[in-house]
Amino acid sequence: QQQVRQSPQSLTVWEGGTTVLTCSYEDSTFNYFPWYQQFPGEGPALLISILSVSDKKEDGRFTTFFNKREKKLSLHIIDSQPGDSATYFCAAGYNQGKLIFGQGTKLSIKP
Amino acid sequence: AQTIHQWPVAEIKAVGSPLSLGCTIKGKSSPNLYWYWQATGGTLQQLFYSITVGQVESVVQLNLSASRPKDDQFILSTEKLLLSHSGFYLCAWRDWGGAGQLYFGEGSKLTVL
Repeated sequence: QQQVRQSPQSLTVWEGGTTVLTCSYEDSTFNYFPWYQQFPGEGPALLISILSVSDKKEDGRFTTFFNKREKKLSLHIIDSQPGDSATYFCAAGYNQGKLIFGQGTKLSIKP
Repeated sequence: AQTIHQWPVAEIKAVGSPLSLGCTIKGKSSPNLYWYWQATGGTLQQLFYSITVGQVESVVQLNLSASRPKDDQFILSTEKLLLSHSGFYLCAWRDWGGAGQLYFGEGSKLTVL
């Protein structure tokens, strides 16, 4: 069964620090990798996504990196803020097909 | 702009009772619609998808069914709830015209007692 492995399960970072979340996947044909942010009691919101033709995409304080050879991706949050405290999900799949979600990382930013 | 609305926001139901959850999307014609289930603290599991009215494909068997009665509406239901049905149900639509982004609704929380 295809899996998307996400780590760590939970993470605490001091305000102003850099948060790094990672994911790995198995299917080398996957070409689309989104990250979602979910606050308690809400639906996940698309945060940033990357296609396999790129190795980096930036949006403000959020940057996602993609390593095709190692089948890994990561999300970096610089200048982490208490408002970034949420659960983050990575996903892997096809931009015109299925998506498989990771198990999520619960992030807590301490002031 | 597209908006996706789910109802009800939350339900507390007894084991064995029926359930109906709904989802409406506005601002997008002929959307691809999806139902996802999320256990408390868990990942997102796709349950059903529909590409057009009257057509629904099942991805995971959980003693649930889905229907697409209108272009903008997607319904999730069961005649007999199980304890294992508790969780957070999310409706979503996929933007095939863009980069394939998947957008979720606000979710419906179901507690089965």
